[in-house]
Amino acid sequence: QSALTQPASMSGSPGQSITISCTGTNSDVGSYNLVSWYQQNPGKAPKLIIYEVNERPSGVSNRFSGSKSGNTASLTISGLQAEDETDYYCCSYAGDKTYVFGTGTKVTVL
Amino acid sequence: QVQLVQPGTEVRKPGASVKVSCKTSGYTFISNDINWVRQAPGQGLEWMGWTSPSSGFTGYAQKFQGRVTMAKNTSISTFYMELSSLRSEDTAVYYCARRFRYGFDSWGQGTLLIVSS
Repeated sequence: QSALTQPASMSGSPGQSITISCTGTNSDVGSYNLVSWYQQNPGKAPKLIIYEVNERPSGVSNRFSGSKSGNTASLTISGLQAEDETDYYCCSYAGDKTYVFGTGTKVTVL
Repeated sequence: QVQLVQPGTEVRKPGASVKVSCKTSGYTFISNDINWVRQAPGQGLEWMGWTSPSSGFTGYAQKFQGRVTMAKNTSISTFYMELSSLRSEDTAVYYCARRFRYGFDSWGQGTLLIVSS
């Protein structure tokens, strides 16, 4: 199972929106609406911010939203803030109760 | 509140085995699968496998088949991940994570495994 492909880095100015892509295959992202997204600050455990493509857990800012088209899922961060500067990972169900993570994206707020 | 507690650091020599624990509390033990995810230094997240708390069934990523064993002890609300034939490339932080629907909503603080001679 190969890792899902994410851009290594993305950047934006405060207040702007950015969209992080997560590209998989017909065996994972393309077959299931079961993509989740995680925010990970340095030295900390990941935090769930989106599950099942576009569902937000309680307490997660509505500035985070998810979508999917074909084999590519996306995470949009609206109204970019300094606190959003960190690493983001996607994850997809891949059948037979297995999962695969993305390569990760480092977001920089200019 | 939901808590997953892991030991801080483990050090092993190449060829040895390690068993990492994940003690859960704050929710009904049998309600949610526990998954294991690792992260090598400076690298991304890698899914390793899962354990069902109700049936004890497990499933592993193909990469770790034959080298990893996951288990649970219901009486003490604890899950385990044992990795054998350790090599330097297994040096990483190992996390347990609770599955909620199709997302991992609660995570342990991670166990740093150092494999070094």
